[in-house]
Amino acid sequence: GAVVSQHPSWVICKSGTSVKIECRSLDFQATTMFWYRQFPKQSLMLMATSNEGSKATYEQGVEKDKFLINHASLTLSTLTVTSAHPEDSSFYICSAILLAGETDTQYFGPGTRLTVL
Amino acid sequence: GQNIDQPTEMTATEGAIVQINCTYQTSGFNGLFWYQQHAGEAPTFLSYNVLDGLEEKGRFSSFLSRSKGYSYLLLKELQMKDSASYLCAVTTDSWGKLQFGAGTQVVVTP
Repeated sequence: GAVVSQHPSWVICKSGTSVKIECRSLDFQATTMFWYRQFPKQSLMLMATSNEGSKATYEQGVEKDKFLINHASLTLSTLTVTSAHPEDSSFYICSAILLAGETDTQYFGPGTRLTVL
Repeated sequence: GQNIDQPTEMTATEGAIVQINCTYQTSGFNGLFWYQQHAGEAPTFLSYNVLDGLEEKGRFSSFLSRSKGYSYLLLKELQMKDSASYLCAVTTDSWGKLQFGAGTQVVVTP
């Protein structure tokens, strides 16, 4: 199956610092990637849709200036949490779409656990 | 608004069958996915339905009725490793954007 990687898998940072998370599709090209956030015992909440070569589309309520997304190539999207605060602590998961016939299946990265002190 | 509802938790015995229901009310429908998620890990793809009917994949089957806005995931011959959260997700646009239900925690007991 398709493989999506994320780096780092976990990060602890001080309040006010910025953190960059990378999402890579390892064996396929992904024109579209998605970024999700998941709080403990809750489901995934879509933050934004990342399209290669264009600006990301953010979901309602997600601050685009705080969560910067860059989809620089067909295999890499990055999410930067700027000026992180404790309430930003969460599990961040990316996914990439693999077109297989008529099925656009999203394959998820392993996630990045962010803890802001 | 968009609503995707599934039960919060289900418990079943090893070797048994469990059916997880999912109902949805969304603006548009391009397909329904089921994912499995173990604690602290990312979701893994289980099944996809876009037409009415049953899709079978080994011990897992998924059913869809578009007219009723209803799907279920059937897990047969339960194993301890099947203890996980099962997420129902609907895609409503051509970009593949997914709306997730809250997930159903399945607990398999010996």
